[in-house]
Amino acid sequence: DAGVIQSPRHEVTEMGQEVTLRCKPISGHNSLFWYRQTMMRGLELLIYFNNNVPIDDSGMPEDRFSAKMPNASFSTLKIQPSEPRDSAVYFCASRFGQANYGYTFGSGTRLTVV
Amino acid sequence: AQKITQTQPGMFVQEKEAVTLDCTYDTSDPSYGLFWYKQPSSGEMIFLIYQGSYDQQNATEGRYSLNFQKARKSANLVISASQLGDSAMYFCAMITYGNNRLAFGKGNQVVVIP
Repeated sequence: DAGVIQSPRHEVTEMGQEVTLRCKPISGHNSLFWYRQTMMRGLELLIYFNNNVPIDDSGMPEDRFSAKMPNASFSTLKIQPSEPRDSAVYFCASRFGQANYGYTFGSGTRLTVV
Repeated sequence: AQKITQTQPGMFVQEKEAVTLDCTYDTSDPSYGLFWYKQPSSGEMIFLIYQGSYDQQNATEGRYSLNFQKARKSANLVISASQLGDSAMYFCAMITYGNNRLAFGKGNQVVVIP
């Protein structure tokens, strides 16, 4: 089991550039979650998908953020244009069904926007 | 809305001693689950233990146990026989099955000293 795979691990970009974060959930998991972690706000749920369909995107901070899940094995979180306040660690997590033990997190992407 | 509160300041714990991390929560949903995650300095989120709101017994997983007091809405984590590798941030999290969102507290910092 390879776990939840996120790429890149680190991303440094200039303000105004487009940033795409990638996530491969655990095979067989049908729910996928994107979280953002900052010192000020802690861990915030941005969006989650169930069976590739976005269910709740109320945590997406603004229109600059978008997320897609074109198939069961891949999801992207895109920021366009990026701003320094977007600097954070972005986590992807996946889960099988309603299994309470099934929230598995990726290693995160540390994004720095300069 | 869900609310998870972790208010303890950073803690220093002597190796081999037990440590209790406090977590209180608030929800109007009668059906919910409580989690504890560990985040070491390397940044990954590691699942430790889960307690369901209808579980009759307190959850235990190896050296981790959850002191669940439903009437007081608390779900404290007890780590027995602390080890140096237990130094990390510890997050309490809750999901309510009404909205299916896993929400996190601000975390407790633990440093185990030899």
